[in-house]
Amino acid sequence: SQKIEQNSEALNIQEGKTATLTCNYTNYSPAYLQWYRQDPGRGPVFLLLIRENEKEKRKERLKVTFDTTLKQSLFHITASQPADSATYLCALYTGTASKLTFGTGTRLQVTL
Amino acid sequence: GAVVSQHPSWVICKSGTSVKIECRSLDFQATTMFWYRQFPKQSLMLMATSNEGSKATYEQGVEKDKFLINHASLTLSTLTVTSAHPEDSSFYICSGLPGGSYGYTFGSGTRLTVV
Repeated sequence: SQKIEQNSEALNIQEGKTATLTCNYTNYSPAYLQWYRQDPGRGPVFLLLIRENEKEKRKERLKVTFDTTLKQSLFHITASQPADSATYLCALYTGTASKLTFGTGTRLQVTL
Repeated sequence: GAVVSQHPSWVICKSGTSVKIECRSLDFQATTMFWYRQFPKQSLMLMATSNEGSKATYEQGVEKDKFLINHASLTLSTLTVTSAHPEDSSFYICSGLPGGSYGYTFGSGTRLTVV
């Protein structure tokens, strides 16, 4: 069956450290993968996209890697801040009717 | 950036009544919009794809007669939850894909509580 799993339900890190979130998928062949941030009671906000033929993408303090052999994406937030605390969702786009399929999400808590 | 305006942000209704949720793309035209449902501490589950000027496409297991979708213009899609029951209580979110973008823009969501 198809699955998109993200690491641990919650991730707690100290301010200034690098947060690393994992997204693993099975039985998908995504054309690209996206990462979103979701705050409580709000809709997701698009952060980054990485295509199947790309290994790494960066945007300010964010970095995403994509390994189609391992079927895994890693999402890094460097120099994390309390304002980075939120739930982060990975989503796969397979090209079928422009649909996105979301992972389970990882809640990140950055403490002082 | 692109904005999707979703209303209402929250609604409480009695069991058996119907509720309409609106999503408007404010600065782009959306021939397609997507409706999701999210239960507490769970991820977004796609319910249906709304197509401007034609019938919506529903995901497996979603009752099309219960969740009525209308996409009458390029900037407005509506979801009506008919004969709502407590198990329909959830967070409903719409999204659209602005032209030239690969990142989907989401509405702020509607918290539906059926009592």
